Amino acid sequence: NAGVTQTPKFQVLKTGQSMTLQCAQDMNHEYMSWYRQDPGMGLRLIHYSVGAGITDQGEVPNGYNVSRSTTEDFPLRLLSAAPSQTSVYFCASSFRGLAKETQYFGPGTRLLVL
Amino acid sequence: DQQVKQNSPSLSVQEGRISILNCDYTNSMFDYFLWYKKYPAEGPTFLISISSIKDKNEDGRFTVFLNKSAKHLSLHIVPSQPGDSAVYFCAASVYYGGSQGNLIFGKGTKLSVKP
Repeated sequence: NAGVTQTPKFQVLKTGQSMTLQCAQDMNHEYMSWYRQDPGMGLRLIHYSVGAGITDQGEVPNGYNVSRSTTEDFPLRLLSAAPSQTSVYFCASSFRGLAKETQYFGPGTRLLVL
Repeated sequence: DQQVKQNSPSLSVQEGRISILNCDYTNSMFDYFLWYKKYPAEGPTFLISISSIKDKNEDGRFTVFLNKSAKHLSLHIVPSQPGDSAVYFCAASVYYGGSQGNLIFGKGTKLSVKP
């Protein structure tokens, strides 16, 4: 199993550009989520999904869109990038999203918005 | 307002000694706590967890203690090894009777274990 994979590993954007961060998992997990990590901050939840076709907002959802058309994939879209979205983005998955279940994280995407 | 606080940004320990990482929380509804470990340029990995019905959970060199009255938990690593050098995140969740509970993370503590 590859686990949770994320692409790209690093991306530079100009303000106003759009892009999609890809996330895929091969563990048949129902629950997937996106976090961002900023310097001196913990991981903050952006959006999450408890199954295909179901998504919901986390703590910091503004400026981001998600969709979940398959169990395996959970892309994160930046519609109009802003410098405040410069961050490291982590995708995670678990079986049902219960707190007692281990969440598996991807290696992260480092995004720089100029 | 931060619900999960790790007030020590960094900690330096000698190899073989005990490392104690602390975490405080403010939300009394949290009922499940986890520690994640993160190496540079990698995603966090699960380390150990504890339910609010327990006050201690042990896994090899790692022990987590929970003091609910003080809203405080700590991670003990004994003995500390250079490979333990990483950022450690404390996380908490509310379990709503069968429904999913999202994790709230602290800011992390960078542990350095010196040979």
